[in-house]
Amino acid sequence: GESVGLHLPTLSVQEGDNSIINCAYSNSASDYFIWYKQESGKGPQFIIDIRSNMDKRQGQRVTVLLNKTVKHLSLQIAATQPGDSAVYFCAGLHNTDKLIFGTGTRLQVFP
Amino acid sequence: DAGITQSPRHKVTETGTPVTLRCHQTENHRYMYWYRQDPGHGLRLIHYSYGVKDTDKGEVSDGYSVSRSKTEDFLLTLESATSSQTSVYFCAIMGKTGQHYNEQFFGPGTRLTVL
Repeated sequence: GESVGLHLPTLSVQEGDNSIINCAYSNSASDYFIWYKQESGKGPQFIIDIRSNMDKRQGQRVTVLLNKTVKHLSLQIAATQPGDSAVYFCAGLHNTDKLIFGTGTRLQVFP
Repeated sequence: DAGITQSPRHKVTETGTPVTLRCHQTENHRYMYWYRQDPGHGLRLIHYSYGVKDTDKGEVSDGYSVSRSKTEDFLLTLESATSSQTSVYFCAIMGKTGQHYNEQFFGPGTRLTVL
């Protein structure tokens, strides 16, 4: 079946350090992945996406890496700031257009 | 902000009553999704739609039905609400250009409490 899971429920980093949030998926047919950020009391917000024909994609302070061999993707946040504190979700989509989410990782940034 | 709204934003109802949640978009996107979010479960897909009158089940569809009679509206109905359906419900929309997905947005959520 389809599943998208997260390795760690909580990640604590110091302000200014880089953060790495990991995600594993089981459906090899997944061809598109998205990272979302959710702040308390709000809906998830799109951060960055990547297609399965790519290994890496960069945005502003964020990079997503996709390793199809081990079915793993990661979100890297450079120079983490207090405003980055939130829950981060990965989601995978395959050809049925179902967008399936993982359980989320809470990122805590301390000074 | 993307043109996606949900109504109502909060609702308290009693077990056994029907409830309908509405998702409205002004982006003319093809795909619309309903999720529920509960502690420890992340976002779980209830139903989704890939076009007018085209819908399919998600992971947790039991006890829910949906309808999409026009592009801009996607309705989620709880035929007979149960306490296990107390949750925060999110609607999402997504566009597609050729084979490329784009424009993924979520609504603000609806907090439903079933007593």
